Amino acid sequence: EVQLLDSGGGLVQPGGSLRLSCAASGFTFSSYAMSWVRQAPGKGLEWVSSISGSGGSTYYADSVKGRFTISRDNSKNTLFLQMNSLRAEDTAVYYCTKTIVGVNWGQGTLVTVSS
Amino acid sequence: DIQMTQSPSSLSASVGDRVTITCRASQGIRNDLGWFQQKPGKAPKHLIYAASSLQSGVPSRFSGSGSGTEFTLTISSLQPEDFATYYCLQHNSYPLTFGGGTKVEIK
Repeated sequence: EVQLLDSGGGLVQPGGSLRLSCAASGFTFSSYAMSWVRQAPGKGLEWVSSISGSGGSTYYADSVKGRFTISRDNSKNTLFLQMNSLRAEDTAVYYCTKTIVGVNWGQGTLVTVSS
Repeated sequence: DIQMTQSPSSLSASVGDRVTITCRASQGIRNDLGWFQQKPGKAPKHLIYAASSLQSGVPSRFSGSGSGTEFTLTISSLQPEDFATYYCLQHNSYPLTFGGGTKVEIK
């Protein structure tokens, strides 16, 4: 059974940093692209970033480009999202998903950017 | 960037009704489209891939159709557990883009 466990969210001040993790199990992690999708409170879904199975290709939404970095450790079956220069508008639940199609989703981790 | 226009943004329906939700892409995306269902406080659930293929375990009352720029999600007979918000997602090109969502409420 595919399982994705998101973690690392919390309260951070504007301009601060946070690193999200997604622990994957139940599939050959290195064979699949992975993505992060977020959802601001009461709003719709927004794609944030994707990474290829090898980690050699990465893609970002314009809203986070230059501030967020997606990466993966295939030896540990873990996906990461390093978030720097955080803004109030980054406040959201962040989900990791398997593939860019979003076949499976983590439970989400809440990031709150506030002073 | 490809814009996904989803309609309606909300609808009220009764159990047993046939419900149709539409997503229009600002340019052709072949059949690179998926549909998701989200209930309050929960992660989205993948329903349809490649515009018309049913994800394993999804009830057959859900169906998808379309190609190019216009896509439809149909629920043939609405059940109580189907009241939720539905989203489309295009994955033809980056940046990936979601539709704005359709909230299906009880009439």
